[in-house]
Amino acid sequence: GAGVSQTPSNKVTEKGKYVELRCDPISGHTALYWYRQSLGQGPEFLIYFQGTGAADDSGLPNDRFFAVRPEGSVSTLKIQRTERGDSAVYLCASSLGLAGADEQFFGPGTRLTVL
Amino acid sequence: GDSVTQMEGPVTLSEEAFLTINCTYTATGYPSLFWYVQYPGEGLQLLLKATKADDKGSNKGFEATYRKETTSFHLEKGSVQVSDSAVYFCALRRDDKIIFGKGTRLHILP
Repeated sequence: GAGVSQTPSNKVTEKGKYVELRCDPISGHTALYWYRQSLGQGPEFLIYFQGTGAADDSGLPNDRFFAVRPEGSVSTLKIQRTERGDSAVYLCASSLGLAGADEQFFGPGTRLTVL
Repeated sequence: GDSVTQMEGPVTLSEEAFLTINCTYTATGYPSLFWYVQYPGEGLQLLLKATKADDKGSNKGFEATYRKETTSFHLEKGSVQVSDSAVYFCALRRDDKIIFGKGTRLHILP
């Protein structure tokens, strides 16, 4: 079946602009996660959704970052007033939502470049 | 807070060589431990996992044993192939988030 998909695959923007990154999870997966991977680093957790609600947003770096999942499926990560330091690969993952035990399946990522 | 430290790369080996990639962790309690792999041009994939002390995870000829005494989860393979060239991430799970190491790039020469 289809895996996690993310669009766009690449996004180039200018400092100060607003961007939206989209994630389509595996059908039937109730849990959805966003991670950020900077160059030469491992992925870092940003936010976790269970259904429509953000169960843990402790990884969001500041209030310029926001994510939604209004219907419990597709999620959008929104970044306001982008800064050069936001340049990274943004990864989305989904899982069945079994408490603490199930595998997270990762998408290919969106590479964001802020000029 | 929780963290994962893994050996820096790149690691370059000849085909059929023995592989070890070291990984140690810092965490309260006994979290589940993982190795993920990222092949060129592909997304992150779970390679193997261990959920409790002394468990051994294995997949595709790779193995790692959860050692609570040394807080380690070293990845090993007896005979590597060119197709194993990738970036390998050691990780632990804390609640619903995964905490990753920085990754180790592996190059296998034919």
